[in-house]
Amino acid sequence: AQTVTQSQPEMSVQEAETVTLSCTYDTSESDYYLFWYKQPPSRQMILVIRQEAYKQQNATENRFSVNFQKAAKSFSLKISDSQLGDAAMYFCAFQEGGSQGNLIFGKGTKLSVKP
Amino acid sequence: DTGVSQNPRHKITKRGQNVTFRCDPISEHNRLYWYRQTLGQGPEFLTYFQNEAQLEKSRLLSDRFSAERPKGSFSTLEIQRTEQGDSAMYLCASSLTRGIYNEQFFGPGTRLTVL
Repeated sequence: AQTVTQSQPEMSVQEAETVTLSCTYDTSESDYYLFWYKQPPSRQMILVIRQEAYKQQNATENRFSVNFQKAAKSFSLKISDSQLGDAAMYFCAFQEGGSQGNLIFGKGTKLSVKP
Repeated sequence: DTGVSQNPRHKITKRGQNVTFRCDPISEHNRLYWYRQTLGQGPEFLTYFQNEAQLEKSRLLSDRFSAERPKGSFSTLEIQRTEQGDSAMYLCASSLTRGIYNEQFFGPGTRLTVL
């Protein structure tokens, strides 16, 4: 069974600085997707960034980028120029069965941003 | 497009009572997922529908849980004879299967408290 592990329950970053959130996963599949979701307090979860396993190039979305290491089964999220609005729970997720399956989430990392 | 909506947003019930939650997906989204999120954990998959057909159920979905999606539109999740362990946030997500990738859009969730 696939598992997703986020080893950092909480992280803190100074506004305008850079922070990296870690995620590792375990799977025997070769075709899958990886995601980072953001869940602000009392608000719904939104997709931050996704990575296709077959792509070697790391995904980037504005201030958010990933470091995808397929052999090491590692998928970290880097947030550059952190903003107060980035404060939230961040969940790493794995999608099995190509693009059609359900998501398997890690336990999350709570990110605080200090002004 | 108002996104995925869920009702009620909060539900408090006594142990042993039945509760029903509703999810309205984004219009034209053919897939609908239910997840459960307990405190300090990431969401866990419960079940999903493609149109009106329930295609997969997690082992977490005990006999007391039942989900429906009549006519492939909104979905309901019913919990019979609630237990304190059912207290959680119940999340709904929808997606449109098109091409090789389908992003899941999440609703705000229904928070259930069983006394």
